[in-house]
Amino acid sequence: GAGVSQTPSNKVTEKGKYVELRCDPISGHTALYWYRQSLGQGPEFLIYFQGTGAADDSGLPNDRFFAVRPEGSVSTLKIQRTERGDSAVYLCASSWYSTGELFFGEGSRLTVL
Amino acid sequence: DQQVKQNSPSLSVQEGRISILNCDYTNSMFDYFLWYKKYPAEGPTFLISISSIKDKNEDGRFTVFLNKSAKHLSLHIVPSQPGDSAVYFCAASARERNNNNDMRFGAGTRLTVKP
Repeated sequence: GAGVSQTPSNKVTEKGKYVELRCDPISGHTALYWYRQSLGQGPEFLIYFQGTGAADDSGLPNDRFFAVRPEGSVSTLKIQRTERGDSAVYLCASSWYSTGELFFGEGSRLTVL
Repeated sequence: DQQVKQNSPSLSVQEGRISILNCDYTNSMFDYFLWYKKYPAEGPTFLISISSIKDKNEDGRFTVFLNKSAKHLSLHIVPSQPGDSAVYFCAASARERNNNNDMRFGAGTRLTVKP
């Protein structure tokens, strides 16, 4: 596609459930980033992939959060045992290389009841 | 850790006047600064950037000023237009470290330009 695509755009789940959020980056972009934006805050870095490997996962808040990018393109952010505090907009961004301009998707809004 | 701060959550300006959005940072390692613009239900889009070797960068109606000694940058929009109404995020990174994952964002300023 022309831009970064994220699905679902909205996800409502119950506390304790498992959630997967998908990101399809711009074709050819090797770098992929996940950010979390809570209400009234700016995007907060979660994890960065260069190709298939997670080059930096220092932003993941705890071990309930995990992300994969098995073929170096589409990435999935996985959240286990969701908590109400996980409610936020999860943004994905990609770039040609690690210092290139970031192109963001529209985000996936997660609401944990 | 709030390494990038935007202390004004909102700003309202009349069409045709100047909009000035401010941003402060604390990390002296930051050497590359950006402004992103975000409309509702869309992801942030890159607007303008400045390297620490400069103190000003201009692109049409948008100018970013950097004051390294004060660890302060500002975005000027002249003249402001109603279509500029959006949330503006300031971001900073240590680019000499060659990665974007050090990029930190401010909380954003919601600009409203009234016709």
